[in-house]
Amino acid sequence: SQELEQSPQSLIVQEGKNLTINCTSSKTLYGLYWYKQKYGEGLIFLMMLQKGGEEKSHEKITAKLDEKKQQSSLHITASQPSHAGIYLCGAPKRGAQKLVFGQGTRLTINP
Amino acid sequence: NAGVMQNPRHLVRRRGQEARLRCSPMKGHSHVYWYRQLPEEGLKFMVYLQKENIIDESGMPKERFSAEFPKEGPSILRIQQVVRGDSAAYFCASSPPGGANEKLFFGSGTQLSVL
Repeated sequence: SQELEQSPQSLIVQEGKNLTINCTSSKTLYGLYWYKQKYGEGLIFLMMLQKGGEEKSHEKITAKLDEKKQQSSLHITASQPSHAGIYLCGAPKRGAQKLVFGQGTRLTINP
Repeated sequence: NAGVMQNPRHLVRRRGQEARLRCSPMKGHSHVYWYRQLPEEGLKFMVYLQKENIIDESGMPKERFSAEFPKEGPSILRIQQVVRGDSAAYFCASSPPGGANEKLFFGSGTQLSVL
């Protein structure tokens, strides 16, 4: 079955620094979603990538999809305390109407 | 347009009791998904439903767990005879008719604690 592995599992960065979170799939990706979760809350949609090579940005967050590497990366520029939370990648499972998720990356921003 | 509504937010049950978790999808959404999140783990798919139909329940335990999405009213995830290992956050998501090829919108979750 398809598995998504995120790295790193946790990340602590100084406010203002850049950071990257990776999501690697064991199978071909047919799209990739990034969500953010704050402690005790639901998931907030960040971005959806549907084509190989696609790159999307929203405010200081950029996500890319490398179809050949079966990988997506999420990059945050000039991190702020509001970026803290758990970032999850999700991918549609081929032939099944559901998303499978990675285990999440816990991001802490130190002031 | 209200988002996905889940209730209750927190539910405490003693071992052996029943837990009922409710999910009202976004207006116009006909697909509902239930996920479970254990502490320090990612989201695990449980079941996918459309109105009055269970489409995929491959992630749901065979015993004690059931789900429904009736023609009228919210989707219900029911856990009978709860055990401590059922303690987790349960999230519901909904999508428009495209299913998982469309963006999923998540509720705030129900935190189930089994004493």
